[in-house]
Parts: sequence; C-alpha cells; structure tokens
Amino acid sequence: KAGVTQTPRYLIKTRGQQVTLSCSPISGHRSVSWYQQTPGQGLQFLFEYFSETQRNKGNFPGRFSGRQFSNSRSEMNVSTLELGDSALYLCASSLGPGLAGTDTQYFGPGTRLTVL
Amino acid sequence: GNSVTQMEGPVTLSEEAFLTINCTYTATGYPSLFWYVQYPGEGLQLLLKATKADDKGSNKGFEATYRKETTSFHLEKGSVQVSDSAVYFCALIITQGGSEKLVFGKGTKLTVNP
Repeated sequence: KAGVTQTPRYLIKTRGQQVTLSCSPISGHRSVSWYQQTPGQGLQFLFEYFSETQRNKGNFPGRFSGRQFSNSRSEMNVSTLELGDSALYLCASSLGPGLAGTDTQYFGPGTRLTVL
Repeated sequence: GNSVTQMEGPVTLSEEAFLTINCTYTATGYPSLFWYVQYPGEGLQLLLKATKADDKGSNKGFEATYRKETTSFHLEKGSVQVSDSAVYFCALIITQGGSEKLVFGKGTKLTVNP
C-alpha cells in the first residue's frame, strides 16, 4: 500500500511569491493534516481536513490556507511568502476525522520550502 | 494556554543504557498525550500515546505513563539500541469548543553509540 506522498519535495521561492504544496493521502484515508517544522519553532500544527471540510486549525495567519478535494488529496497554499516561512511542511493522513489518535496518523516525507 | 516542555538535547547514550526523556505539559483541561519519533531520513511516526490519567503507552520497548498529578509524560526505555537514534517529540491534543488543538514540544535528539 503506497504511503503518503507530497509534491514537490523541494521548492525555492522568493519573498512575496505564493506557493502551493500537494499531499496525497494513503488510499482510503479521508483525513489530512498539515504541519510546519522549523529549527526555531519546532513542529506546529497548521490545519486538518476531513471530507473536504476544515475541522481543526492551528494558530497561523490567514496567508496559510488549504483545501481538500473529493478524492481526499489536499493542497496547502501560502501567499505573500516571508523569509520565516522557510520550513519543512509535513502532511499526515488517517482513516477518520480528528487528531486525538483514534486512527493512527501516517506522515509523508515533507516538502522543504526555502524562501529567499 | 496549552504547552509542552521537554528536556533539551542532544542526548547521547551508549548502547544498552537506560533512557529517560522528560516531558511536562500545561493544558486547560484533560489532554491526550503522545510521543512521536522522527528517524533520520524518515517521516514522523507516532510512537505511543495515552488518553487519560494513569494510562501507560508502550511500543518498541518504549513506555510513558500519563501522570496527572505531576502533569508529566516521560519517555523511558530500559536498554537503548543504535537504531533508536532519532528525534523524539512529546505532544498533547486537547479539545476546546469542539475544536482540537495539537501542541508539540521542541523535540529531543537522541544519539546512541555502539
């Protein structure tokens, strides 16, 4: 069974640009969560989608947005990029909704975004 | 607010040594507690979890007990192996107003030498 895939794996952008990252969950999984990992702030939760609806949201500005499609694939968009947005962006998928571990989350390898 | 504090690394041990990584939390309510692990070059994985006080989570020889009285969830392993070298993250999830909040600790890098 294929794991969680994220594309692209590496991305370089400049300040002010926008970027879209993609996450394909494990087949049959309907929940996708997004996380940002930086050396300074560590791991932070961005948002979770289930059945095309955002269920949970972390404390990030409105420049960070996401969506989920009917096939459960999810995209995350960051507009007006700042240097501080440079990070590893992880997504995770699980069968059911929620973050509380009822269904195990499986993480993808991440997309490394560098903002110059 | 909700927060997780875990011991700063890096932690370096010899093979077969005893491991403890401390984790304490602050939460408004009764969170579920987790340990995640990130092996070099691999994705993040859930290691173990506990959803209520006095629960013990265990996996791959690792254990952690949810201690409500000390607001702690320390990770332990009796005899570490080189393959345990990784970064370990303590985390909590709490439900507030119908929405779940997930908070991670900063991570502790463990290196086990042969």
